[in-house]
Amino acid sequence: AQSVTQLGSHVSVSEGALVLLRCNYSSSVPPYLFWYVQYPNQGLQLLLKYTSAATLVKGINGFEAEFKKSETSFHLTKPSAHMSDAAEYFCAVSVNSGYALNFGKGTSLLVTP
Amino acid sequence: GAGVSQSPSNKVTEKGKDVELRCDPISGHTALYWYRQSLGQGLEFLIYFQGNSAPDKSGLPSDRFSAERTGGSVSTLTIQRTQQEDSAVYLCASSVRGGTRFYNEQFFGPGTRLTVL
Repeated sequence: AQSVTQLGSHVSVSEGALVLLRCNYSSSVPPYLFWYVQYPNQGLQLLLKYTSAATLVKGINGFEAEFKKSETSFHLTKPSAHMSDAAEYFCAVSVNSGYALNFGKGTSLLVTP
Repeated sequence: GAGVSQSPSNKVTEKGKDVELRCDPISGHTALYWYRQSLGQGLEFLIYFQGNSAPDKSGLPSDRFSAERTGGSVSTLTIQRTQQEDSAVYLCASSVRGGTRFYNEQFFGPGTRLTVL
């Protein structure tokens, strides 16, 4: 079975600082990995996805993530945080049956002035 | 183009009542997914449709939960004899197709917030 673990339910960064949100996966087969963002009272929006092509994946809003098989990680980064980045971030892996998504518990990002 | 829509956006019901939640996927998307988001459990997969059939119902928490999809489009999630633990945001997503090794991006609707009193 595939699953993901997000380290840190809350992360706080200063505006302009590096954003690092951690995600580790467990999978018996090559995984498909995703990062989604959820702004308050809104649905989920795909930030980026890894589907076994390039290991460094670039997404929207300046975010990127690197797939590291040796570390079973798929951490999300952004060089410089913006106030508008404050949201809930979810890492997810696709499971075999139906290719539904198996989500992590989420990380709430707070950006302070 | 239009995204995934869900109705109602909010639903308050009394314990023991039945509720129906509706999802309109993006036109042309053959795969449809229901998820539940709650404080205690996070985001959980409920059921997956490919066309009108549901090859994966493994996430439905009990037999009080059922879902159907008609015409390969609209889906309805029904919860019978609602309980307080059913309170959550129910999210629907659709993708061009599902069940393949080549992942198709899932587009999510805004959700229905269900409150069971």
